[in-house]
Amino acid sequence: DSGVTQTPKHLITATGQRVTLRCSPRSGDLSVYWYQQSLDQGLQFLIQYYNGEERAKGNILERFSAQQFPDLHSELNLSSLELGDSALYFCASSVGAVGNYGYTFGSGTRLTVV
Amino acid sequence: GQQVMQIPQYQHVQEGEDFTTYCNSSTTLSNIQWYKQRPGGHPVFLIQLVKSGEVKKQKRLTFQFGEAKKNSSLHITATQTTDVGTYFCAPSTGANNLFFGTGTRLTVIP
Repeated sequence: DSGVTQTPKHLITATGQRVTLRCSPRSGDLSVYWYQQSLDQGLQFLIQYYNGEERAKGNILERFSAQQFPDLHSELNLSSLELGDSALYFCASSVGAVGNYGYTFGSGTRLTVV
Repeated sequence: GQQVMQIPQYQHVQEGEDFTTYCNSSTTLSNIQWYKQRPGGHPVFLIQLVKSGEVKKQKRLTFQFGEAKKNSSLHITATQTTDVGTYFCAPSTGANNLFFGTGTRLTVIP
């Protein structure tokens, strides 16, 4: 157990639908990062939040949005889903705004769009 | 994102052989991190290199940061089946190690 909790572990939904992925960072960590990993692909950085504020943005689609709440958990909202959005979505956390001691990843949410 | 190339993309080795993966950047890096992702698992942080020419060892794993801080390597001596997985580098030019390399998938043949 890495200390980063992601729910749900699996999600199957239809095209056009909207889903919310949830992440609770490791205790004491203020930064949350979201990554997308398609089948046999690398890790694509989506977005980072630090202490409730958006800190950095990657190649996140306009259909995707995220936020970090006062208790530091984060949610990634994916809307108007397409088949190509099927992927493993990882959340990671770090103590500070910069991951000097590395990121701690959760086990991921596997999203299947049918 | 940064221009980083990680090679090779795939590597099959016989158990007991050595393995090396390289991460090459077009720009000077402030530091570089390495992660391992087992099949079906999540990435796990291995190490961070900061200094020019730095070499760090973790048992059979040796990590190097180039003198020019533009490239790095991960070398595994005498691979074991437990080394199977994908190895990612995550370079930084100062702000954060947000963008990961493409990864090298290692297969170890018993």
